[in-house]
Amino acid sequence: ETGVTQSPTHLIKTRGQQVTLRCSSQSGHNTVSWYQQALGQGPQFIFQYYREEENGRGNFPPRFSGLQFPNYSSELNVNALELDDSALYLCASSSVNVMNTGELFFGEGSRLTVL
Amino acid sequence: EDKVVQSPLSLVVHEGDTVTLNCSYEVTNFRSLLWYKQEKKAPTFLFMLTSSGIEKKSGRLSSILDKKELFSILNITATQTGDSAVYLCAVWNNAGNMLTFGGGTRLMVKP
Repeated sequence: ETGVTQSPTHLIKTRGQQVTLRCSSQSGHNTVSWYQQALGQGPQFIFQYYREEENGRGNFPPRFSGLQFPNYSSELNVNALELDDSALYLCASSSVNVMNTGELFFGEGSRLTVL
Repeated sequence: EDKVVQSPLSLVVHEGDTVTLNCSYEVTNFRSLLWYKQEKKAPTFLFMLTSSGIEKKSGRLSSILDKKELFSILNITATQTGDSAVYLCAVWNNAGNMLTFGGGTRLMVKP
């Protein structure tokens, strides 16, 4: 158990709908990152939030957006869902010195299916 | 663009065998390389490597980095069925805010 919790664990949406995924970071961690993992592939970086500001973004379109709250929890919002958005969405929390420890703690993920 | 390639894509062995998983990378301003094990959903951290030639070891698992040839290997000795998982290799970007992952190696250990 990493102390990173995500909800919901599974959900099914249809094309064009919108979805919000939630993440509670491990106690004491002020940075949250989101990754998308398609079936059979490695995780891909979506973006990172630090102190409620976006701190780096991967190659994802603007319909992927996020928020971080004062308690360091975070949301990932995806608008206008497409079939290719079907994936496992992983949240990871870390402290600001993660580069020194390498310890990026992942949650169990939210599996999104778009029909 | 940073790139991480893992091989083989998948591997089937029997309990007691030794396996070697490979990871090659191309990254601007290398900082560190990480190995993760993913059994069901959450990747779990195994090792972080920053210096060439220094082996990291944890039980039956060990890993080493070659910064000249830009690769790392993960060795698992005396494999057990509990080692069955996807093993992911990743590198940090220079800003330290993004991990670039390889596609993973799926290991199946048969009794």
